[in-house]
Parts: sequence; structure tokens; C-alpha cells
Amino acid sequence: EIVLTQSPGTLSLSPGERATLSCRASQIITNSNLAWYQQKPGQAPRLLVYGPSSRATGIPDRFSGSGSGTDFTLTISRLEPEDFAVYYCQQYTGSPPWTFGQGTKVEI
Amino acid sequence: EEQLVESGGGLVQPGGSLRLSCATSGFTFSNAWMNWLRQAPGKGLEWVGRIKSKVDGGTTDYAAPVKGRFTIFRDDSKNTVYLQMNSLKSEDTGVYFCVTGGYYLDYWGQGTPLIVSS
Repeated sequence: EIVLTQSPGTLSLSPGERATLSCRASQIITNSNLAWYQQKPGQAPRLLVYGPSSRATGIPDRFSGSGSGTDFTLTISRLEPEDFAVYYCQQYTGSPPWTFGQGTKVEI
Repeated sequence: EEQLVESGGGLVQPGGSLRLSCATSGFTFSNAWMNWLRQAPGKGLEWVGRIKSKVDGGTTDYAAPVKGRFTIFRDDSKNTVYLQMNSLKSEDTGVYFCVTGGYYLDYWGQGTPLIVSS
């Protein structure tokens, strides 16, 4: 099973700033089969990017994903107030089980 | 618009059983691969299992902690996917989400809560 480690655990930033979130895998993720999700309190997660740089439908272009191998990054170019949330990475390489990182909280 | 609505959660004693349902609309359910995920209180996301579309074989995959206790099945005539949970344990407590997607997870329901406690 692939273990994903996200860093930092918490990111304290202000609106307008740039956020850089990291996701490191315990083994190579083939075909960059990694996705990122956003979850706000009391809500279901929402798919942001996959593959690892394709944005999901309706996701603003301030969200971008990058990386390959074992190291992946989600960048939010300019934080909007609605972007303060918890972010999870997920790998879907090979066969299940799919696994998630433990999450990064982006707080004001 | 894709909609997924889970139901059936509640309070169950350890060792008990429960069936969750996920009614869907707004997409071609029969072609969709469907997942169940869960989130323990204050914790992260955990993939529970997946069922492929019948045209792709209709097979299932499960996470190790639930294999042999949980079963996912689907009724394409009702656009509904189910999660049958047996031999429930306290560590199964959490919010259960129904999600579309074979690999990355596209559309999520709002979840239904399960508490396993005596």
C-alpha cells in the first residue's frame, strides 16, 4: 500500500498570498496518478485537480497541480477567502486500495 | 447536474449490521464506477471500496479493514448503489460518502453518519 505524506500539517497565510502544499509518496506513482481534494467543515470533499495537473470542472485556474514520481505539489496562486480549508492528496496508481494523505489545513 | 444522496446511517451496536444506500441522478449510472469512502470524526479520508459498472465486469474491490465484512452492490434499474456492512466495529464509526469515479473521485454525496457503539 502506498503511503502519502502531506506537508506542512497546517499552513497559516493571508488572502492574496500563495500557498504551496506538498504530497510525498512512499513509492513511485506511475503515470502521475495523483489527485487533490478540498474539504470545508461540514462538507463533502471536492475534486480539484488530477493526473496531476488537470483541473476538474469548474475549478478556478488559481489552483494548479504538478509533480511526478514521488513528489507532488498543489499550488494556490492567490488565496481567496473561500480557499481556507483542508486539502488532501490521493493516489490511484495500479490497483486499489486508493490511499490519501493525512491532509493539510490552510488557515488564515 | 450530478446528485448523490446517501441514506441509512445511524447508531448500531458492535457486531451489528447496517445497509447504506446511495441514490443518484444526473448522469448515466449504469456506466459509472462507484465508490464508498468514510471519514472518522476529526480524521482524514479512507477509501472503503469500489464497484465497477456491469459492462466493465461489475467486480468489487475493498480496503483491507473491511474486506470480508462489507459488500458493495448496485441496482442499475434504481440508479442506486449500496454498502452492506456486517460485523460492525467501533472503528467503523464515521461519515460514509458515496462517490463516482474509477480512479480519481469525481462527484461526492454529502455523506451519512454511522456510529457503532453500545
